[in-house]
Amino acid sequence: EAGVAQSPRYKIIEKRQSVAFWCNPISGHATLYWYQQILGQGPKLLIQFQNNGVVDDSQLPKDRFSAERLKGVDSTLKIQPAKLEDSAVYLCASSLVGNTEAFFGQGTRLTVV
Amino acid sequence: GENVEQHPSTLSVQEGDSAVIKCTYSDSASNYFPWYKQELGKRPQLIIDIRSNVGEKKDQRIAVTLNKTAKHFSLHITETQPEDSAVYFCAALEYGNKLVFGAGTILRVKS
Repeated sequence: EAGVAQSPRYKIIEKRQSVAFWCNPISGHATLYWYQQILGQGPKLLIQFQNNGVVDDSQLPKDRFSAERLKGVDSTLKIQPAKLEDSAVYLCASSLVGNTEAFFGQGTRLTVV
Repeated sequence: GENVEQHPSTLSVQEGDSAVIKCTYSDSASNYFPWYKQELGKRPQLIIDIRSNVGEKKDQRIAVTLNKTAKHFSLHITETQPEDSAVYFCAALEYGNKLVFGAGTILRVKS
């Protein structure tokens, strides 16, 4: 089966610029997660969708980050404006509803200079 | 919300020895506990998981144990090999399907 697809793989931007990441989950997976993984740390959950509704966005810095999941399939995560501390790998994962495995995409490595 | 703590942060073992990584969680309603392995520059991949109605699960050289009363679970790797070197993350699935990760353990297997 096809895995979770993310793009771009790498992105370098200057601070205060904006950036968007795209994720296509595994077909049929209702749950979609966006994680931020700073070098040397564990993935930190930013936002969780179930179908096209937000389940949890308590750790999303809403003054600069936004995310949407149109039609309950693909999702985009946007940062505007970016800060130096946003440099990280942004991982998208998807799963079936319930206590099942979450599958991760390759991630987008963002460098803010 | 769920808080997952993981220890140790780094672990070095000699090839052939066993490695144990421990995690504790805070939300007693959590019912699913996966372990992920992440190699440098790659995505996290599930290596084993356990559900709250089971105390232990084994898959070849890897095993996971769960103590619901104490709210901790552990990963055991026996007969370690150099290819086991990676970062290992525990996670807990809390109510609402929210998957929360530990900070990770860097495992180095010396040959």
